[in-house]
Amino acid sequence: QVQLQESGPGLLKPSETLSLTCTVSGGSINSHYWTWIRQPPGKGLEWIGYIYYSGSSNYNPSLKSRVTISVDTSRNHFSLKLTSVTAADTAVYYCARGISAWYTSWGQGAPVTVSS
Amino acid sequence: QSVLTQPPSASGTPGQTVSISCSGSSSNIGSNYVYWYQQVPGTAPKLLIYSNNHRPSGVPDRFSGSKSGTSASLAISGLRSEDEADYYCASWTDSFSGPVFGGGTKLTVL
Repeated sequence: QVQLQESGPGLLKPSETLSLTCTVSGGSINSHYWTWIRQPPGKGLEWIGYIYYSGSSNYNPSLKSRVTISVDTSRNHFSLKLTSVTAADTAVYYCARGISAWYTSWGQGAPVTVSS
Repeated sequence: QSVLTQPPSASGTPGQTVSISCSGSSSNIGSNYVYWYQQVPGTAPKLLIYSNNHRPSGVPDRFSGSKSGTSASLAISGLRSEDEADYYCASWTDSFSGPVFGGGTKLTVL
């Protein structure tokens, strides 16, 4: 059973860059799509973007100008960078395996707060 | 404002059947599969239904999904206290080749 674990700073100041890594264990990152999803406090789920193990990616148009998702197959992990964060980026950030809204495995979630 | 529309809340008593609706458009539900997730507060979402009406291994057959046109629904029969959670529908959108979610429905078991 594949397991995912998010890691990264939990507190950022406005205008800083959010950086999170999702480490995949119990399975290979190869031959799968990997996704980042976030959930603001008390709100619903928002797709951020996905990446294929080969490196091809796609992002939510509303975040595209600030988001980069990368993959490191040698370390079996993929990463999220979100630039110029504001309070509106405060959320729990989840990594997941899958595409097409079909996510079979999720990380436990990484809470990120943006505050001055 | 979520792309897919769900009622914010639903409720039922133990043993009852509850349905949660999810409304979309021709560019998402109308031309793609629907997925349902269950989220207990403080935990990650869990896949309940995939490809409109299929259950992953381990999901009780009390949970069922259906789709018609640009709408879908999740039915939970034999309601149990442990079903109290938030439920989200999701689908792919051809608009930007990515997934879209409903705003979530909070299910209360009375």
